[in-house]
Parts: sequence; structure tokens; C-alpha cells
Amino acid sequence: NAGVMQNPRHLVRRRGQEARLRCSPMKGHSHVYWYRQLPEEGLKFMVYLQKENIIDESGMPKERFSAEFPKEGPSILRIQQVVRGDSAAYFCASSPTGQGTDTQYFGPGTRLTVL
Amino acid sequence: AQSVTQLDSQVPVFEEAPVELRCNYSSSVSVYLFWYVQYPNQGLQLLLKYLSGSTLVKGINGFEAEFNKSQTSFHLRKPSVHISDTAEYFCAVSDLGGGSYIPTFGRGTSLIVHP
Repeated sequence: NAGVMQNPRHLVRRRGQEARLRCSPMKGHSHVYWYRQLPEEGLKFMVYLQKENIIDESGMPKERFSAEFPKEGPSILRIQQVVRGDSAAYFCASSPTGQGTDTQYFGPGTRLTVL
Repeated sequence: AQSVTQLDSQVPVFEEAPVELRCNYSSSVSVYLFWYVQYPNQGLQLLLKYLSGSTLVKGINGFEAEFNKSQTSFHLRKPSVHISDTAEYFCAVSDLGGGSYIPTFGRGTSLIVHP
């Protein structure tokens, strides 16, 4: 059973470029969550998606950030015109039902470095 | 709105000694509580969770946690730690605030086990 897959594992971008982070949930999971982790700050929720729908994007910055989870293919977190402050580890998690009792299954993360 | 406080950012301990990692939460409704562990350069994985029933929850790798409703705490314990327990530990809470179960994570406690 493959777990949650994220790629790339490491991504280097120059200021102003776009970053695309991909997440394939566990088989059978239709609920995907994106988090950002900064040193000393823990895990911050960004967005919660189900297939083709954004359920909660209360943690997403209003500009430059977008997310999607199409009917086919992985979930994508897209950051346009990256700035140094976007450097962080981005984790994707999936769960089977979206209920509070769910365990979240995390991918290994994408470490974004903005030069 | 829910929140989680992990009182210690770092806990150093000698191998085979007992350890307690503290977690307090606040929520206006019933909650589900989780402890996750993150090893270096990896995603988070579930250690244990409290959903209902017995307040003492046993998890993987010899860890256990006790839910104390009156003190709004969910402290994690292990009677004898190993070097391999060195990792970051995150407490998380989820409730139905806002209409969806988005878990809130604490800032993490770094457990450092010395030989």
C-alpha cells in the first residue's frame, strides 16, 4: 500500500518564479490537506480539499497561493511569484472521511527554498 | 475556536529514563486529541489518539497519553525512552468548529534522548 506521495522532495526557485507542489493521497482517500511548516513554528493549516472542491481555504494567503484537487491526478499547491518568505517545508496529508476521528496520513514533504 | 499549547519546546532526557511531554488545549466543544511524531526529514505519523471512552490511551512504540477533561490536558508519557525516540512530537486537536474537522497542531516538542 503506497502512502501519501509528494514531489518534488526538494525544490529551489528564484524570487519571482512559480512553484508547483504535487501530492498523491493514499489509495481510497478523497480528503487532502496542505500544511506549511516553518522552523520553531509548528504546522500551519493552509487548505482542505476534496475531489474537485475546496472545502476550507482559511489558512491560505490571499494572494499568490492556490490549490486544486482535480478528478484525475494529484492535488497541486501552486505558489506564484515566490518570495524568500515562502521558503518552508510543505506537507500534504490525506484522510479517508474528513471526520474529526480520522487519522491524517502525511507525505514526506516538499522543502521549498527561494533564493 | 480550538487551540493547542505544548508547554515545552525542547525536552532533553537520558536513555532509559521516563519522559512526559505536555499538551493543553482549549475548545468550546467536545474534542478529539492526537499525538503525532516527526522524525528528521520525514512527515508526521500517528502515535495515538483519543476519541472517546477510556481516558488512558496506548499507542505505538510504548507511548501512552491520558485525557484529563477538567485540566484540558493530554500529556504524552513513556516509562523508558530509547535513543531512537529522538524526534519532534506534535499534539493536535480537532472539533467541529467552523463546520469541518480541521485539526489544529501545537508548535511541537523536540525530544532529545542522550546516551
